[in-house]
Amino acid sequence: EVQLVQSGAEVKKPGESLKISCKGSGYSFTSYWIGWVRQMPGKGLEWMGSIYAGDSDTRYRPSFQGQVTISADKSISTAYLQWSSLKASDTAMYYCVKGRNFDYWGQGTLVTVSS
Amino acid sequence: NFMLTQPHSVSESPGKTVTISCTRSSGSIASNYVQWYQQRPGGAPTTVISEDNQRPSGVPDRFSGSIDSSSNSASLTISGLKTEDEADYYCQSYDSSAWVFGGGTKLTVL
Repeated sequence: EVQLVQSGAEVKKPGESLKISCKGSGYSFTSYWIGWVRQMPGKGLEWMGSIYAGDSDTRYRPSFQGQVTISADKSISTAYLQWSSLKASDTAMYYCVKGRNFDYWGQGTLVTVSS
Repeated sequence: NFMLTQPHSVSESPGKTVTISCTRSSGSIASNYVQWYQQRPGGAPTTVISEDNQRPSGVPDRFSGSIDSSSNSASLTISGLKTEDEADYYCQSYDSSAWVFGGGTKLTVL
């Protein structure tokens, strides 16, 4: 059974750093893209970027380039989304997704940034 | 890059059929697969249609997808509406370097 299991909810202050994770199982992790999707409160889905786990080729939506870093550790079938300096506007639910067609979704990680 | 445009909301009665459109702004709708996702309140999205018209295992055959090159759009059709179908629906596609979502359509079954 394919599963994407994300790390738990986070509460952070502005300016702090954060790295959230997404562990894939039940499929060949290195053969697929893993993407990250943001959903701000009450809003729609936004693709942030994707990484091809086999060779770490990474693509970003232009508005997220330089704002976040996507990485993957294929030895433990885990992808990451990280921020070096969080803003209040980063408060959102973040989902990881498998493949080019986003056929499987993680359960989501709620990130709250508040002073 | 291209955009995908969906109606903000649609509503229909139980037992009826509803169609949600997704129009691609530039480039051919047929050039890359379109997916559809359902998101119920408080839940993560799940795939209801993949690769234009394929239903994943477990998705009822009341859900169907199609593309229309003449209008450069994709459609999600749900027949025999049930109250449990009330949700937000998003289309998604990609080109060589980017993945794109539509803005989402709120389906009300009343």
